[in-house]
Amino acid sequence: QSVLTQPPSVSGAPGQRVTISCTGSNSNIGAGYHVHWYQQIPGIAPKLFIFGNSNRPSGVPDRFSGSNSGTSASLAITGLQAEDEADYYCQSYDISLSAWVFGGGTKLTVL
Amino acid sequence: EVRLLESGGGLVQPGGSLRLSCEASGFSFSSYALDWVRQAPGKGLEWVSGIGTALNSANYADSVKGRFTISRDNFEKTLYLQMNSLRAEDTAVYYCAKRQWLVGNYHFDYWGQGALVTVSS
Repeated sequence: QSVLTQPPSVSGAPGQRVTISCTGSNSNIGAGYHVHWYQQIPGIAPKLFIFGNSNRPSGVPDRFSGSNSGTSASLAITGLQAEDEADYYCQSYDISLSAWVFGGGTKLTVL
Repeated sequence: EVRLLESGGGLVQPGGSLRLSCEASGFSFSSYALDWVRQAPGKGLEWVSGIGTALNSANYADSVKGRFTISRDNFEKTLYLQMNSLRAEDTAVYYCAKRQWLVGNYHFDYWGQGALVTVSS
C-alpha cells in the first residue's frame, strides 16, 4: 500500500491527451512538499521527468507538464506518442514518516 | 556527465549480509546527499535510506531500520549500503540516486543502473 495513490494504468491513442493523478494527504502533498515525477521503461532505471511540481529537466519534451492542488498532483501528457509508453511514478516527502515516498506507479499504454 | 555505478549485488541466504557500493563521477560528490531506492520484482519504487553531506546524517525507511547501514567515502566518491539480517522481502533491484535540493525540497535527479539483490535459500 503506497502512501501516494496512482491509478494502475491509463491509456490513450496517439495525439491524445492523458493525465495521471497522484493523491496524497496532509502529511505530504497537502503539507506543501513538492511532487516529482519519474518515467521508467521496464528494465531500465527511473528517469526524472518533472521536479518541483511543474519543472521539466533539460531534454524532457514540453508535452509533459505537472501541476498540483491541495493533497493531489497530476502529470499531463499532450500529443501522445508511442515513445511515451512507460511506467510513471510520483514522489514527495512525508513529514509523518520522515521519509521520501513514491506512488505505486501508473502504466501508460499508447493504443 | 553524472554517472552512478552500483555493484555488490547477488544471491544471499535469509539472515545473511551483503554490501552494495555505488561509485560516482561527474559531480562534486561531497556536496550532495545520496540515497538508495529499491524496486521489488514487478513492484513500485521504495525509498530505503539516505545520507546527507554530513557523514552522520543518515536516515532509513522503517522497513530496514536497524538492519541496514548507509555510509559514504567522500575521498573514494563511493556510497555504501551494508545490509544485514536479510529477508526474502528485501529481494529487489537497488538503485543509487543523487539527491538535488530545490526551494526546501529534494528530488532524485540522477540514478544508477541498479544492482539486483536476491534473498533466497
